Amino acid sequence: ETGVTQSPTHLIKTRGQQVTLRCSSQSGHNTVSWYQQALGQGPQFIFQYYREEENGRGNFPPRFSGLQFPNYSSELNVNALELDDSALYLCASSGKAPGQGGEKLFFGSGTQLSVL
Amino acid sequence: KQEVTQIPAALSVPEGENLVLNCSFTDSAIYNLQWFRQDPGKGLTSLLLIQSSQREQTSGRLNASLDKSSGRSTLYIAASQPGDSATYLCAGFSSNTGKLIFGQGTTLQVKP
Repeated sequence: ETGVTQSPTHLIKTRGQQVTLRCSSQSGHNTVSWYQQALGQGPQFIFQYYREEENGRGNFPPRFSGLQFPNYSSELNVNALELDDSALYLCASSGKAPGQGGEKLFFGSGTQLSVL
Repeated sequence: KQEVTQIPAALSVPEGENLVLNCSFTDSAIYNLQWFRQDPGKGLTSLLLIQSSQREQTSGRLNASLDKSSGRSTLYIAASQPGDSATYLCAGFSSNTGKLIFGQGTTLQVKP
């Protein structure tokens, strides 16, 4: 157990819909990152939040957006879902500020999103 | 473009064998390297983290090494067991981009 929890565990949506995924980070961790993992691939960095502000973004379109709350929990929102958005979405937390180096990331179990 | 490559993509060995998983990276600014285990449909479990100032880390039957000059890391698993069957991912933290870059993983099957 990493102490990082994600909900829901599974989700089925149709193309064009919007989805919100949630993550509760490990106690005391103020940095949260989101990753997308397509089947058979390594996770791809979506974005990172530190103290409620976005701090780094990968190569994902603006319809992927996020929030981090004062208690450091986080949401990933995806608008106008496409079939290729079907993937495992992983949330990871760290107790160090971004860029300090030496971050050990703790991952949740992920949300499996299927877009039909 | 920073890339992380893992070889082989899949590996099947009999129980008890010692094995090595390879990871190579192109970004010389990799600050540290982390090895993860992933069971099917599950999240990632951190196995070992090697800081840029370190050359290796050990945990039980696992040993990971890091050679920044050659852009390589290896994960050594001693006396493999069927319970070791999983996908193993390496990921480098780039101080250039401030993000973790993953390889595609090596799927290991250890046969009883």
